[in-house]
Amino acid sequence: GAVVSQHPSWVICKSGTSVKIECRSLDFQATTMFWYRQFPKQSLMLMATSNEGSKATYEQGVEKDKFLINHASLTLSTLTVTSAHPEDSSFYICSALPGTGTDTQYFGPGTRLTVL
Amino acid sequence: QKEVEQNSGPLSVPEGAIASLNCTYSDRGSQSFFWYRQYSGKSPELIMFIYSNGDKEDGRFTAQLNKASQYVSLLIRDSQPSDSATYLCAVNSGGGADGLTFGKGTHLIIQP
Repeated sequence: GAVVSQHPSWVICKSGTSVKIECRSLDFQATTMFWYRQFPKQSLMLMATSNEGSKATYEQGVEKDKFLINHASLTLSTLTVTSAHPEDSSFYICSALPGTGTDTQYFGPGTRLTVL
Repeated sequence: QKEVEQNSGPLSVPEGAIASLNCTYSDRGSQSFFWYRQYSGKSPELIMFIYSNGDKEDGRFTAQLNKASQYVSLLIRDSQPSDSATYLCAVNSGGGADGLTFGKGTHLIIQP
């Protein structure tokens, strides 16, 4: 149980285009989902917290107009990287928190974004 | 600024020995502590979590927490080559629906 999927697993795009990444909890409802970013040889950095039906909360230094997050249902959150640039190339990982009184997050497999 | 510190390694341990991984954190109010294993190019996978001071054992893994010293550790007994990975320490400071603060990870190499 507690499976989280991400789509796509990897994407290559041209500079200036937008990319949407989906995060789904497959066998549980997630009241809260998180988006992390990991640059090479760095650790995961929290970008934003996404709660179903409300606006996402962004961490300091993360541009909310560039990284659009939508959590329209209890099983789906999307991250759209708008006007992507090469410096946005990274490994984007989502996690989901079941609404059952636990704070154990279940991570998706990640999406490797390369911006040319 | 919440910080989680880990020795980046690499930590090299012979097969069958005990691997000891350490982590310190800055936020004294932190409530939940997690160890994740991450293989190169993959997403982290949860190994253990611990909330209370003391030891918690799960198979070959033992997590140790000392809140007074703001210190968390992970012991891996009977280390196997498949345990070679980067081990990430993560802390939840707020409890409940808060994101995790991760350390940079310790690269563990188990030598056959």
